[in-house]
Amino acid sequence: DAKTTQPPSMDCAEGRAANLPCNHSTISGNEYVYWYRQIHSQGPQYIIHGLKNNETNEMASLIITEDRKSSTLILPHATLRDTAVYYCIVRARGTASKLTFGTGTRLQVTL
Amino acid sequence: GAVVSQHPSWVICKSGTSVKIECRSLDFQATTMFWYRQFPKQSLMLMATSNEGSKATYEQGVEKDKFLINHASLTLSTLTVTSAHPEDSSFYICSENSGRTDNEQFFGPGTRLTVL
Repeated sequence: DAKTTQPPSMDCAEGRAANLPCNHSTISGNEYVYWYRQIHSQGPQYIIHGLKNNETNEMASLIITEDRKSSTLILPHATLRDTAVYYCIVRARGTASKLTFGTGTRLQVTL
Repeated sequence: GAVVSQHPSWVICKSGTSVKIECRSLDFQATTMFWYRQFPKQSLMLMATSNEGSKATYEQGVEKDKFLINHASLTLSTLTVTSAHPEDSSFYICSENSGRTDNEQFFGPGTRLTVL
């Protein structure tokens, strides 16, 4: 699986959009970009994933660059409950394909 | 989405004892489940892949005789930490591959193991 690079930490004011970048310059054609987050002392929570098109769901939006070498997770209106470690993971499709977690970005949402 | 439960949510045991952690897929029959371990202030590390009806596949450096995995049914995988020692104290998390759409994984809430 391709390696990802994320900033170690970010701050965001409550109510503002949080934009979390991820670099995955070695991504291959059959690999998806997945985003998970982990709130302290809980299991990771699936957020969103995509292959090449931008995706949006009730939690977030995922913007993938045309060359697929980087992506941005957008939380449109961050709240204090969004404070967590966010993981960007690249993985090939398949039922036995495991997730490899990097160090992620620690997002701190402040008042 | 899929729901995964773990039991117990936390456990404290004496050094040398064995501890069993259960992972259940509540609304999906999971042929494959994964076990992760997370030490304080570190990321999740995959320990093993649990396959229903067959032997688990362990990651490099994980002792299969110490971390026994059983996946006897499509909804239950168990991880037994045998002869636990203080260095085994960690947060153990399981996940299952939903097998639907693009195979997003759903994680359990984790089990905090403290070995005295």
